[in-house]
Parts: sequence; structure tokens; C-alpha cells
Amino acid sequence: GEQVEQRPPHLSVREGDSAVITCTYTDPNSYYFFWYKQEPGASLQLLMKVFSSTEINEGQGFTVLLNKKDKRLSLNLTAAHPGDSAAYFCAVSAGGSNYKLTFGKGTLLTVTP
Amino acid sequence: DTTVKQNPRYKLARVGKPVNLICSQTMNHDTMYWYQKKPNQAPKLLLFYYDKILNREADTFEKFQSSRPNNSFCSLYIGSAGLEYSAMYLCASRRDWGDAEQFFGPGTRLTVL
Repeated sequence: GEQVEQRPPHLSVREGDSAVITCTYTDPNSYYFFWYKQEPGASLQLLMKVFSSTEINEGQGFTVLLNKKDKRLSLNLTAAHPGDSAAYFCAVSAGGSNYKLTFGKGTLLTVTP
Repeated sequence: DTTVKQNPRYKLARVGKPVNLICSQTMNHDTMYWYQKKPNQAPKLLLFYYDKILNREADTFEKFQSSRPNNSFCSLYIGSAGLEYSAMYLCASRRDWGDAEQFFGPGTRLTVL
């Protein structure tokens, strides 16, 4: 079955620095890709979803890059601020089988002032 | 309204006692999922309902039960709680005609003593 590896498990940056989190996956049929943010004690909040082939999506303060050839998904927070401190999870689905999501183990991001 | 609700938000249970967690959504989503989330681990899919059909993951087959009395509600039942069941339980739902995006509830934090 699908396996998703997420790196790094912990990331500490200073305010204003960039932070990059990367996931690699194994199933070449994967089609749907998600980034979720989980603040302490809270549930999973969808940050961005991407589909299709190589794609760059930009959100508020972050960029998501999908490279299907390399089976790699990345999240780049361009200028981190303390409010970005949270756990981030990537999730991958190949559709079918009721669109089950396979999650990475998460990255705990700490942004210090 | 894209809200998934879960009750209770916090649950304290004794070892050997049953636990029943409730999830609801009013989006008329066909599929509802239950995940177990432990610290520093990826959310783990336990089971899901597609309409009235229950699908349980192979490695958790005997540990969790579920019911879905109508489209809006879904429960997660533990017959005899063990210490290893202490975790955050996340409910999610997905519309049948959309992509793989799942909408997550706030979670129930279960502590077994």
C-alpha cells in the first residue's frame, strides 16, 4: 500500500525565515495531495490541496510544490511567523477505495520571535 | 456549512469500560471516517462508512465498532478500553461527487486510566 515519508519531524526557525517540509510517496497512481495544519489541541485544518502533475500553488504566506515524476510534495512557508507554529501533515490519496488518505507522520514547526 | 461536530470533546474512561464517541455532519456527505491520532504519529484510519456500508481496516478490525443510524451521524465504539486506546479520535466526512478532500471535526481526546 501507499507509504508516505515526511521530513523533517521537527523544524525550528526564526521569525521571517523560510521553512520547508517535504513528503515523498510511493504509489505512482496517487492523484490527490493535501497539506493540513494542526494547532495544539485542535483538529486538522486544510491548508492546500493540489492535483494533477507538477504544480505550484500559492496560499497566504506559503507555496506548495508537487513533482509527480519524483513523487515529492513540499510545503514552503516563505516568511514564517510565530502563528505558524504547529504540526503540519501531508496526506496523499489515489482516489478509489473511497478516497482513503495516507498521512505523513507530521512535522512540528516552531517559529521563534 | 462545512462543519463536522464531535461529542464529547474530552472523554475519561476506565480500563475495561466501554467508550462511545459521536460524530455528526449536516453536509449530506456519503462517506464518514474515523481516525486515531497519537502524539508524534500520523493519523491512522480505523474505519469508514460509505453510505450504510462499514469498512474496517484489517489491523483494527476487532478493536473498534461503528454504527451509522442515518446519513448525519456516525459513532465509534470501543467495547473494552485499554490504556493503548488513549488518543485523539478524529472524525471526517467527504462528499461523494467531489475530490478526496475530507472535512475534519475538532476531535475527541480520550484518556484511559
